[in-house]
This record gives sequence, C-alpha cells and structure tokens, in this order.
Amino acid sequence: DAGVTQSPTHLIKTRGQQVTLRCSPKSGHDTVSWYQQALGQGPQFIFQYYEEEERQRGNFPDRFSGHQFPNYSSELNVNALLLGDSALYLCASSLRGQAFFGQGTRLTVV
Amino acid sequence: GENVEQHPSTLSVQEGDSAVIKCTYSDSASNYFPWYKQELGKGPQLIIDIRSNVGEKKDQRIAVTLNKTAKHFSLHITETQPEDSAVYFCAASNPLEQFYFGTGTSLTVIP
Repeated sequence: DAGVTQSPTHLIKTRGQQVTLRCSPKSGHDTVSWYQQALGQGPQFIFQYYEEEERQRGNFPDRFSGHQFPNYSSELNVNALLLGDSALYLCASSLRGQAFFGQGTRLTVV
Repeated sequence: GENVEQHPSTLSVQEGDSAVIKCTYSDSASNYFPWYKQELGKGPQLIIDIRSNVGEKKDQRIAVTLNKTAKHFSLHITETQPEDSAVYFCAASNPLEQFYFGTGTSLTVIP
C-alpha cells in the first residue's frame, strides 16, 4: 500500500510565476490537507479538501488555491509567487482523524 | 484559534537515557494529539497518538501522556538510540481534523 505521494520533490520558480503541486492520498483516505513548513518551523495549515470541496482554510491569502479530484488526489496552486513562499509544502491525507504526510515538495522562489 | 507550545526546542541525551518533550494547547475543543518524527529531507512520520478520552498510551519505547484539565501532553522516549535523533513535533487537532503544530524539538542522541 503506497503512502501519501507528492510531486515534484523539488521545484525552483521565479518570483511572480505560478506553481502547481500534486498529491495522491493514502489508499482509502478521503480527506487531503496542505501545509507549508518554513525552515526550522512546524507545519502551518493552508487548507483542507473533503468530497472535492474546500472544507477549512488557514490564514493564507487567496493566491493559494486548491482542488480535489474524484479519486481524492489533490493539487495546490500558488499564484504570483513571492520570495517568502519558499518552503516545504506538505500534503497529508487522513481518515478518522489520523493524518499521514507525504515527503513534501521543496519550493524555492528566486 | 488553537495555539500549541512545545518545549524544549533542542534536547541532547546520552544513548540509553530517556527523553521527554512537553506541549501545551489552548483550545479545549482539541480532541486528538499526535506526535510526529521528521528526519532531514523527509515529511513528518506519525509515531504515536492519543485521543482526549485516554490519559496515557504506550508503544514499546515510546509513550504519550495527556492531562486534559491542564491542557498539556508529553512524549516520553525510553532507552534512546542514535536512530531516535530527529526533529519531533507535537500537534493538536480539532474534530474537523485541522492540525496545529508545535515548533519542534531537535533531539540528539549521543552514542
């Protein structure tokens, strides 16, 4: 059983560009959440998707948007990238409360 | 919203000794408290968790305790080994499965 998988693992983008990150949840998990982890910090909640709808959202601007597909996989989109968006982006899938994380996508904005 | 505080930020122990990491939370609606281990370049790995209707849980060398009244929970690692060296995060989750994380504890086990 594959765990949570994310792609790509690393990405370099220029300020002002747009980026799309992808996540496939653990088999049987229907809820996907996205987190941003800055260096030396704990993960910060961006938003959560359940049944293809955004169910909850953290304190992140509208430049951050997402989508969940019928197979429960998910995308995170970030528009108008800023240098401060450089971070590890983590996807977590959950079922009955337990959340499992992928290895993350390291985004560098230059 | 929820606020999770974690201490200490760094911890060094001799191999074979015990390590204890403590967290506090603020929202009484939080009902699930997982602990994650994160190694360099990897995502957080769930190592143990506890729900609000339980006071203590143990899994081999790892144990977690929860005091709902005081709103704090702790991770205990006994007989530490060098491979336990990593960053450990506590988290508190509300019924909607939104997780709030502590700032992490960098544990070093000295052989």
